[in-house]
Amino acid sequence: GAGVSQSPSNKVTEKGKDVELRCDPISGHTALYWYRQSLGQGLEFLIYFQGNSAPDKSGLPSDRFSAERTGGSVSTLTIQRTQQEDSAVYLCASSSQGAHGANVLTFGAGSRLTVL
Amino acid sequence: QKEVEQDPGPLSVPEGAIVSLNCTYSNSAFQYFMWYRQYSRKGPELLMYTYSSGNKEDGRFTAQVDKSSKYISLFIRDSQPSDSATYLCAPKAAGNKLTFGGGTRVLVKP
Repeated sequence: GAGVSQSPSNKVTEKGKDVELRCDPISGHTALYWYRQSLGQGLEFLIYFQGNSAPDKSGLPSDRFSAERTGGSVSTLTIQRTQQEDSAVYLCASSSQGAHGANVLTFGAGSRLTVL
Repeated sequence: QKEVEQDPGPLSVPEGAIVSLNCTYSNSAFQYFMWYRQYSRKGPELLMYTYSSGNKEDGRFTAQVDKSSKYISLFIRDSQPSDSATYLCAPKAAGNKLTFGGGTRVLVKP
């Protein structure tokens, strides 16, 4: 597609349930990033993929969070046993560069997660 | 202390005024300095970026970086209501990920 596509755009879940968020990056972009944006806050880095490997997963807040990327394309962010503090907008971005250089990111519109 | 600091605003200006935004940062390894614009319920989009210290102009937008004082600025001339958004500074070190400031919300009133 022309841009970064994320689904679902909105997700409401109950505390303790697992959720999966999907990101479809721009075709040919080798780098993929997940960020989290809480209400009124800036972007918090979660994880970075280069191809299918994740050289930097330092931002994952706990072991309830995991992510994978298959075929150098689609990525899934999974949150297990969701907590209310997980409520946020989860943003995915892709780039044709790795972490070197200016590394211009193109963002999706985000998945808004609400944990009741 | 956060690595990148921005005043959250909101910064309200009349149409046609100059909007002045700034960030301070603590990491002297930052070399690339991005500005992203984010409209409500949208993902951030890149406005412009500079490398190292100096000025860069792109249309109505001017970015300035002063590495000696770790201070980044963005100026918007002849502001329009369509410029109403949140502006995020995002510096970066070589070989590393972007670090975002908290963003400044700007309101341009017709």
